Amino acid sequence: GENVEQHPSTLSVQEGDSAVIKCTYSDSASNYFPWYKQELGKGPQLIIDIRSNVGEKKDQRIAVTLNKTAKHFSLHITETQPEDSAVYFCAASKRASKIIFGSGTRLSIRP
Amino acid sequence: NAGVTQTPKFQVLKTGQSMTLQCAQDMNHNSMYWYRQDPGMGLRLIYYSASEGTTDKGEVPNGYNVSRLNKREFSLRLESAAPSQTSVYFCASSEQGAFGNTIYFGEGSWLTVV
Repeated sequence: GENVEQHPSTLSVQEGDSAVIKCTYSDSASNYFPWYKQELGKGPQLIIDIRSNVGEKKDQRIAVTLNKTAKHFSLHITETQPEDSAVYFCAASKRASKIIFGSGTRLSIRP
Repeated sequence: NAGVTQTPKFQVLKTGQSMTLQCAQDMNHNSMYWYRQDPGMGLRLIYYSASEGTTDKGEVPNGYNVSRLNKREFSLRLESAAPSQTSVYFCASSEQGAFGNTIYFGEGSWLTVV
């Protein structure tokens, strides 16, 4: 079945610097890749997603890139701020199939 | 705007006890899910209901049962709780399946089995 690996498990960056989280997936038929952010004591919330027909998508300080050949995708956060501190999950799915989540990355922003 | 509401938020059970986690969504979504979240394991799907009247097993269904009571409500039952079921449980919903659709999560239920 589909497997999604996520790295690193923890990440600490200086406020204002960039953060990058990487995921790889095993099922080459996967074509939908969302990213979720989970703040302390809350449920995860969708922050950005990408489909396999595009290589990159941006939304303000957040961007996601996809390399279908290598079967990996990444989340990029620029100009990090304290409110970016959270756990981030990548996920992969294909039509008529369950979504599989990565194991999560705990991002800490140092003041 | 409630979204996905799950109860209780915290529960301590003794080994062998039973309990039901309740979940309701007010977004008229067809699909509902139960996940568990454990450190280093991410979100693992326990059961899901693609639409009212259907339920299917996810990755880790053993020890759990579910009921899709109606379109709004999807409950998760632990018949005989075990310490391995200590976890944070999330109910979620989406308009129609997980592909291409935003999954909306509840705020979680912290369950400890002693």
